[in-house]
Amino acid sequence: GDSVTQMEGPVTLSEEAFLTINCTYTATGYPSLFWYVQYPGEGLQLLLKATKADDKGSNKGFEATYRKETTSFHLEKGSVQVSDSAVYFCALSSNAGNNRKLIWGLGTSLAVNP
Amino acid sequence: DTEVTQTPKHLVMGMTNKKSLKCEQHMGHRAMYWYKQKAKKPPELMFVYSYEKLSINESVPSRFSPECPNSSLLNLHLHALQPEDSALYLCASSQRDSTSGNTIYFGEGSWLTVV
Repeated sequence: GDSVTQMEGPVTLSEEAFLTINCTYTATGYPSLFWYVQYPGEGLQLLLKATKADDKGSNKGFEATYRKETTSFHLEKGSVQVSDSAVYFCALSSNAGNNRKLIWGLGTSLAVNP
Repeated sequence: DTEVTQTPKHLVMGMTNKKSLKCEQHMGHRAMYWYKQKAKKPPELMFVYSYEKLSINESVPSRFSPECPNSSLLNLHLHALQPEDSALYLCASSQRDSTSGNTIYFGEGSWLTVV
């Protein structure tokens, strides 16, 4: 079945460091891919998405490129801030059949120190 | 800012109480969802409503009872809950219930504590 694998956390960085959170997937068909972010004490927010191969999603300085050849959707940011401390979830939605579920990674906790 | 609003933000209830969580969206979406989330874990799907009809029930205990009064509103009625039901309950919506190319938008959640 479809699945999402994220790098395990927690990830701890200093402010202005470069961030990469790895996400790989297995899926039938051509899934859409998402990154959601959850700040402490809050709900889930859509951070960015990509719906087809080679698409790049971007928002708030974060980027992720849909790589079909490596089945990956790694999240990157060039210079993190303390306010980026949160849990990041990678997710996919399958185009196979009438799938109605998002498939989630386990989440990666990021702590950014000043 | 999320366009899915949930109330209350925090709820403490005893195991014999009856309470409800409420959710509203004004994006014209026709699919609405309830998820349960434990701390720092991915959310777990509970129910999906599509065009105000229940389309997915993920074998959730009957002490959770969803209701969709209209296309903008979604309720979750709670009765005789257990302490292990304490969690963040997230409402979400999307244009349609198929996830194919569809984006799901979440509310801020309702923090439920069962004592």
